[in-house]
This record gives sequence, C-alpha cells and structure tokens, in this order.
Amino acid sequence: QSALTQPASVSGSPGQSITISCTGTSNDVGTYNLVSWYQHHPGKAPKVLIYEVNKRPSGVSNRFSGSKSGNTASLTISGLQAEDEADYYCCSYTGSSEDVVFGGGTKLTVL
Amino acid sequence: QVQLVESGGGMVQPGTSLRLSCAASGFTFSRYTMHWVRQAPGKGLEWVAVISYDVDNKYYADSVKGRFTISRDNSNVYLQMNSLTAEDTAVYSCARGGGSTGYYYMDVWGKGTTVTVSS
Repeated sequence: QSALTQPASVSGSPGQSITISCTGTSNDVGTYNLVSWYQHHPGKAPKVLIYEVNKRPSGVSNRFSGSKSGNTASLTISGLQAEDEADYYCCSYTGSSEDVVFGGGTKLTVL
Repeated sequence: QVQLVESGGGMVQPGTSLRLSCAASGFTFSRYTMHWVRQAPGKGLEWVAVISYDVDNKYYADSVKGRFTISRDNSNVYLQMNSLTAEDTAVYSCARGGGSTGYYYMDVWGKGTTVTVSS
C-alpha cells in the first residue's frame, strides 16, 4: 500500500487560512469516508484533529475542518496561529483487511 | 488522565530481536483496539500493527508481516520485533483506536520509544 500524497510543505501568515491536500486512490480515500488528520509537534505525541473525513473530536478547535472530493481529502486551518506550526498527516483506511495508511506529512510554517 | 507510555527501545544489531511495551492508564483498556505506529528519522508516520480489544484480530503492515507480533494483556500492549533491519530504525508509538471499531483512526497517542538498528 503506497503512502497517501501530501505536499511537503505549506505556509501562511497569522490569521490566514491554508488547506493541505491528501491524495489517495479510488481504493482508499475515494471509496471510504475513513480519513483522519493528525497534528504532530516534533517530540510530542500526535493529536487527532479530524476523523471520518469531517468530524472533529471534542476539544479540537473549530478552526480545523476536513472535507473530501473524489480521491482527495483536505484539511483546512482557518485563522492561522503561531502554535499551528507543526507537521500534519492524513490517514485513510486502505480497503484491505483493517489496514490504514498515512500520508507523507506536510510541514506547516506560520510566517 | 488518559495516558500511554512506551518503553523497551534501544540500540540493537541487525538480525536481533526487541520487545516494546506500552502501558495504558486512565481508561478501560480492555474496551479498546490498540495500534503501533512508527516514524523513521526524517520520514513520516507509518502504521505498523493493530490488535482488537478482544485479542481476536491482529493486522500488520506488509513491511513487518512475519517479523513483528502484536499482543496485549490487562493494561499493556506489546510489539515483539524479530529479524530487525536498519529499515526498522524509528520512534515507535502506541495509540488507542478511536470510534466504534477502533481500526480506522487513533484518538490517544504516546510519545514513543526509539529503536535503532545498527551494527
């Protein structure tokens, strides 16, 4: 199972909105609404931001939102803040057994 | 509070074995599916294995199938790693499965334990 495709890096200024894409195939992202997104500050435990494409766990800011179109899922962060600077990963069910696959990760820089 | 703490990492030679542990606390462990996820240096996250809450189901990434074994007891999840290679060098984290099945996303993560395979 190949990793999902994410841009290596994105950047934005405080207060702006950015979107991170996550491209899979018709076998995974395109078929199943089982995409999740994680924020990872190096040296800390990853944190789930979005699950099942667009659901937000309690306690996660509504500045984070998820969507999907065809084989591509997206994470949008609005009102960028300095503390949003981190690595972001998407993850999807692969359609095989109960396996999941992560994207390669996107480094967000807040300018 | 809900917490996962990994241990057992270290530096080992290629071809040898290592057993990682993850101690869970703050929640009813027996009700949750548990995952292992790793991150090699400079690389992204890679899902490694998952074990169901009732131990009946275990699934592995192709990259570790036949070499790694996931198991659990009352409050710990383990990863037995055999025939290690340099490509297994990574930070290994355990994570709790979220949602009704626990298979498709992880809602609580540990910080990880570092495994280095080198001669």
